[in-house]
Amino acid sequence: GQSLEQPSEVTAVEGAIVQINCTYQTSGFYGLSWYQQHDGGAPTFLSYNALDGLEETGRFSSFLSRSDSYGYLLLQELQMKDSASYFCAVRAPSNTGFQKLVFGTGTRLLVSP
Amino acid sequence: ETGVTQSPTHLIKTRGQQVTLRCSSQSGHNTVSWYQQALGQGPQFIFQYYREEENGRGNFPPRFSGLQFPNYSSELNVNALELDDSALYLCASSATFEDGYTFGSGTRLTVV
Repeated sequence: GQSLEQPSEVTAVEGAIVQINCTYQTSGFYGLSWYQQHDGGAPTFLSYNALDGLEETGRFSSFLSRSDSYGYLLLQELQMKDSASYFCAVRAPSNTGFQKLVFGTGTRLLVSP
Repeated sequence: ETGVTQSPTHLIKTRGQQVTLRCSSQSGHNTVSWYQQALGQGPQFIFQYYREEENGRGNFPPRFSGLQFPNYSSELNVNALELDDSALYLCASSATFEDGYTFGSGTRLTVV
């Protein structure tokens, strides 16, 4: 099976930097993704790491260490609109040998002025 | 056609009834996945279809079933509805994992 752990809530102020951690236990692993979901909205794709290291996309960066079964999402220059839930998701084998995306429980980020 | 659209947006059903939720995937995306998201939780994988064949299933009972059609549309059917089936149901389509999933806005199902 798969399990993913994230902090339930993180708070920060505008302009700050925040890191959201994700640790995972999976039987099979192909990569780690991050998604953002605003209240009442659909999850939107932020990043994907298949290999160890840091991937940067604008204000957002994502890191993966496969040996530690660990990754994080780094958000810089926080803006009020970044207040949302953030989910890590593991690309893992499905029961048929194909691949599926398994989500963590999510981290609620609250950005204050 | 771009984006993923789901219908209806909201639905209220009675325990024991059956429901069909619909999804229109993004053109060119051969994989469609369905997720159940309870309030305050992460999306839970129900099943996945690739070129009209189910190729992955999560820990959901057989009363959750699906179909995918050649025109990139798909359905999620739930029989014998239970109160715990109340949730947001999300459809997501993808071409590759690297490009990420595109999610629809979901159907909010309430079972009373």
